[in-house]
Amino acid sequence: KQEVTQIPAALSVPEGENLVLNCSFTDSAIYNLQWFRQDPGKGLTSLLLIQSSQREQTSGRLNASLDKSSGRSTLYIAASQPGDSATYLCAGLYTGGFKTIFGAGTRLFVKA
Amino acid sequence: DAGITQSPRHKVTETGTPVTLRCHQTENHRYMYWYRQDPGHGLRLIHYSYGVKDTDKGEVSDGYSVSRSKTEDFLLTLESATSSQTSVYFCAISEGSGELFFGEGSRLTVL
Repeated sequence: KQEVTQIPAALSVPEGENLVLNCSFTDSAIYNLQWFRQDPGKGLTSLLLIQSSQREQTSGRLNASLDKSSGRSTLYIAASQPGDSATYLCAGLYTGGFKTIFGAGTRLFVKA
Repeated sequence: DAGITQSPRHKVTETGTPVTLRCHQTENHRYMYWYRQDPGHGLRLIHYSYGVKDTDKGEVSDGYSVSRSKTEDFLLTLESATSSQTSVYFCAISEGSGELFFGEGSRLTVL
């Protein structure tokens, strides 16, 4: 069974800290891995997409990596800010269909 | 932001009534999806479409039907709403890369 797991479920850090969010998946037949941000009461905003042939993607203070052999992806947030407070979800799109599996998310709180 | 509009954004209805949620996109993307998001269950796929009049079931399709008569519109219908269908419904679109873009969501309460 294909599963995507995110640990921890919640994280609280002081402003300015660099942090890493973890995502693990059970099947290496992954087509791409996508990171999202969700603010309360809002939809999901796409942050980064990593294709299976790529190792990492960067956008501003965000860097996402993908290691298919170990079944892991990480989202690195540099110099965190209170505005980064949100729930971060990772999702894996698997080959052979339209099946995107979502993790349960990590709720991040950045304290000013 | 991807041009995805969901309507209505909020709806309260009674058990047994039909409900239709609409998703409209201006991106001309081929693939469209309906998800529901519930505490403890995360995001689950209800139905998806890979073209006009081409749709298929997701993992939680019972009690739901969909239609896509135009590229830009994807409708989700609850033929007879039940309290277990109280949820937040999200429409998403994608193209060849598989990157998903989501709408703002429709909050449905079934009393």
